[in-house]
Amino acid sequence: ETGVTQSPTHLIKTRGQQVTLRCSSQSGHNTVSWYQQALGQGPQFIFQYYREEENGRGNFPPRFSGLQFPNYSSELNVNALELDDSALYLCASSSKEPPGAQYFGPGTRLLVL
Amino acid sequence: AQSVTQLGSHVSVSEGALVLLRCNYSSSVPPYLFWYVQYPNQGLQLLLKYTSAATLVKGINGFEAEFKKSETSFHLTKPSAHMSDAAEYFCAVSDRSNTGKLIFGQGTTLQVKP
Repeated sequence: ETGVTQSPTHLIKTRGQQVTLRCSSQSGHNTVSWYQQALGQGPQFIFQYYREEENGRGNFPPRFSGLQFPNYSSELNVNALELDDSALYLCASSSKEPPGAQYFGPGTRLLVL
Repeated sequence: AQSVTQLGSHVSVSEGALVLLRCNYSSSVPPYLFWYVQYPNQGLQLLLKYTSAATLVKGINGFEAEFKKSETSFHLTKPSAHMSDAAEYFCAVSDRSNTGKLIFGQGTTLQVKP
């Protein structure tokens, strides 16, 4: 059974640039959630994708957007990067039927200069 | 709104001692509750979950947690700490909504001294 994978592992961008992060879900899972974890804090929910549509969103601006593909993999796009976007971005996959636990990937560390 | 409070941002124990990490939640409906562990520079690994079955939940690596509705608590314990248990631990609550999004506490860093 393949776990959740994310790419790239690390990324450095400058303010104002755009970034795309990628996630492959665990086999058998059809739902992907994205979280942002700032240094020293717990993860914060960004949004979730199910059946290729956004299925709930946290308190993040529209410049955070995403996609889900037919194979359930997902992308997180962030436009107009700000310094405060520097964080660990975590992808989690789960099955839609409750009480599905969410299984996390290793994360992408984004640094915005 | 749901919330999670982890009491103690840092906990230090000696190897072989009892580990107790505290978590209190706030929820207007019976929640699902989770404990995750995060090792340095890694993602989160699920330790255990409570989903309204048995109130005492056993997880991986010898950890367990007890759901106490009257105290709105879900504390994590392990009888005997190992050096390898040193990590960041997060308690999380899910509101059983359509998304099942997780709301995390601030985390507790567990230090294990030899």
